[in-house]
Amino acid sequence: SQQGEEDPQALSIQEGENATMNCSYKTSINNLQWYRQNSGRGLVHLILIRSNEREKHSGRLRVTLDTSKKSSSLLITASRAADTASYFCATDLRTGANSKLTFGKGITLSVRP
Amino acid sequence: KAGVTQTPRYLIKTRGQQVTLSCSPISGHRSVSWYQQTPGQGLQFLFEYFSETQRNKGNFPGRFSGRQFSNSRSEMNVSTLELGDSALYLCASSWGDRGIYGYTFGSGTRLTVV
Repeated sequence: SQQGEEDPQALSIQEGENATMNCSYKTSINNLQWYRQNSGRGLVHLILIRSNEREKHSGRLRVTLDTSKKSSSLLITASRAADTASYFCATDLRTGANSKLTFGKGITLSVRP
Repeated sequence: KAGVTQTPRYLIKTRGQQVTLSCSPISGHRSVSWYQQTPGQGLQFLFEYFSETQRNKGNFPGRFSGRQFSNSRSEMNVSTLELGDSALYLCASSWGDRGIYGYTFGSGTRLTVV
């Protein structure tokens, strides 16, 4: 079963607008990561937020984490056509010595020029 | 600095055959993980290796196996291929122990089973 569930499943916006994507998860995590994937290619790591952090910024990206609600959001400001891609949240559960990422189904973002 | 390299990029195999996929992590990265991506199931964890030891395994049948060599390069093998094994197989490496700084993914191997 999916640990992370992204919302919405698809998002279409105009270039220059902001894009907000949400992720909810079910169990306690050590960190939550966001990745981008361009059509059929590998994933690109965007940002990692630890369970004791509430907000993090990286360039035009802002991610928040609310562990009480088990949710995270990714904000892309001033979007560009090049931001068109699928975005995934991934939770790192890390039980004991094991670590693995559990991914959501992803959000398809289309940025219209 | 070279990224994570996966070979081959594309592969077509027949049901019943076996296949070996290769992954070369970023130099200095000792942790390598494998994921399967399909339209129906999304991204699913296969295994994680660290210093030649498998530390974690996903919920896949025994037909899926892997290994890691002393230079951190990793291979995964799928025996007795089934149509449902058609997928994009992604390898990821990380610098920190247990991926605490995030993972770098390769471009993947697109496996088609006919």
